[in-house]
Amino acid sequence: SAVISQKPSRDICQRGTSLTIQCQVDSQVTMMFWYRQQPGQSLTLIATANQGSEATYESGFVIDKFPISRPNLTFSTLTVSNMSPEDSSIYLCSVERTENEKLFFGSGTQLSVL
Amino acid sequence: QKEVEQDPGPLSVPEGAIVSLNCTYSNSAFQYFMWYRQYSRKGPELLMYTYSSGNKEDGRFTAQVDKSSKYISLFIRDSQPSDSATYLCAMRQAGANSKLTFGKGITLSVRP
Repeated sequence: SAVISQKPSRDICQRGTSLTIQCQVDSQVTMMFWYRQQPGQSLTLIATANQGSEATYESGFVIDKFPISRPNLTFSTLTVSNMSPEDSSIYLCSVERTENEKLFFGSGTQLSVL
Repeated sequence: QKEVEQDPGPLSVPEGAIVSLNCTYSNSAFQYFMWYRQYSRKGPELLMYTYSSGNKEDGRFTAQVDKSSKYISLFIRDSQPSDSATYLCAMRQAGANSKLTFGKGITLSVRP
């Protein structure tokens, strides 16, 4: 498995502000991903964080709204920009072990936007 | 039709019951099948991981894949209150860069 530390664990933010979520892994991993989990909905992939290059975004998600950094093989950040109440959700960092293709998740960030 | 369908529940059972959780899917290219368990205010935890059809057992948990019917199941024997959580099925195609597709999850409550 992998030890994935994600912070903050929860936050309450004002409309129009931005929040940066950090994800730290205990060992180097090739693939890091950011997901959103909304009540009653499936886990939705936001983007794949690529080390040394720009993130790859899924349909419906754009870099201006969800900028991602991946400065090295153990760390990534996701920023939720210009927040609105519709951004209230759980945001999850995940990593994949190349050798067994299993996906592991951090503990998540519960974001509430007022 | 969604790629992965999972009964949203919730499901409540008495302690000691056998629990059956199920997902159906439409994409015949899916090869890897997973079950995740998610406790409240925690991230999903990989519970079972299977490739192609067949059964896999781990303690009180059995994962079953029937590719001909496009149907997967998770059985929990002798359920415990500590099994109370949300269970998510997930699946993916073979090959690098294939992405996981998740079900919506079902919340299980095991009553003491």
